[in-house]
Amino acid sequence: DAGITQSPRHKVTETGTPVTLRCHQTENHRYMYWYRQDPGHGLRLIHYSYGVKDTDKGEVSDGYSVSRSKTEDFLLTLESATSSQTSVYFCAISYPLGTSGINEQFFGPGTRLTVL
Amino acid sequence: GESVGLHLPTLSVQEGDNSIINCAYSNSASDYFIWYKQESGKGPQFIIDIRSNMDKRQGQRVTVLLNKTVKHLSLQIAATQPGDSAVYFCADGRDAGNMLTFGGGTRLMVKP
Repeated sequence: DAGITQSPRHKVTETGTPVTLRCHQTENHRYMYWYRQDPGHGLRLIHYSYGVKDTDKGEVSDGYSVSRSKTEDFLLTLESATSSQTSVYFCAISYPLGTSGINEQFFGPGTRLTVL
Repeated sequence: GESVGLHLPTLSVQEGDNSIINCAYSNSASDYFIWYKQESGKGPQFIIDIRSNMDKRQGQRVTVLLNKTVKHLSLQIAATQPGDSAVYFCADGRDAGNMLTFGGGTRLMVKP
């Protein structure tokens, strides 16, 4: 998984509770991303980061916030979880693998979140 | 990439046969395209990529073909094996911005 870990791997929570998911990388890459994956929608970008304290919104950012206080950690927070946020969440990092100049994205193992 | 409906398109092939998985894209300004493989319960895994100024690129047992005229991308897997069973999806991106747009995916099932 390209040196990316996610925690927790599974979580069940109740509507209205705060939830924080953690993404950790060991390779000091600048770009990190949070996606959610749902049937019928593929991977959708929630937030991304291009450096410590530098973050921006993706296409489905409502209800989510992120923080990046260290290069290696990118946190995704659901301030007040809703059932519509039940999903599988993937973290990714980006760096050029070869000499083509393409910044491929490499994904973590995912976190399955269920909001009851 | 383009999103697809709730039910993933499925391709069923016999072990040992070649597989061809297709992807249509909409952004003619994309600089590159990437294919990913996702096994059940795992994160997407990078397979191969291709720049928009190329027509073909080969990897180990895989070949990606790009037809910019009809905005079509295909992934060919030679001598398909049971371990190739997964969902495959394409993504396209631009050099500026470090963002990818993902397609909905195709499920490949390999029959022994």
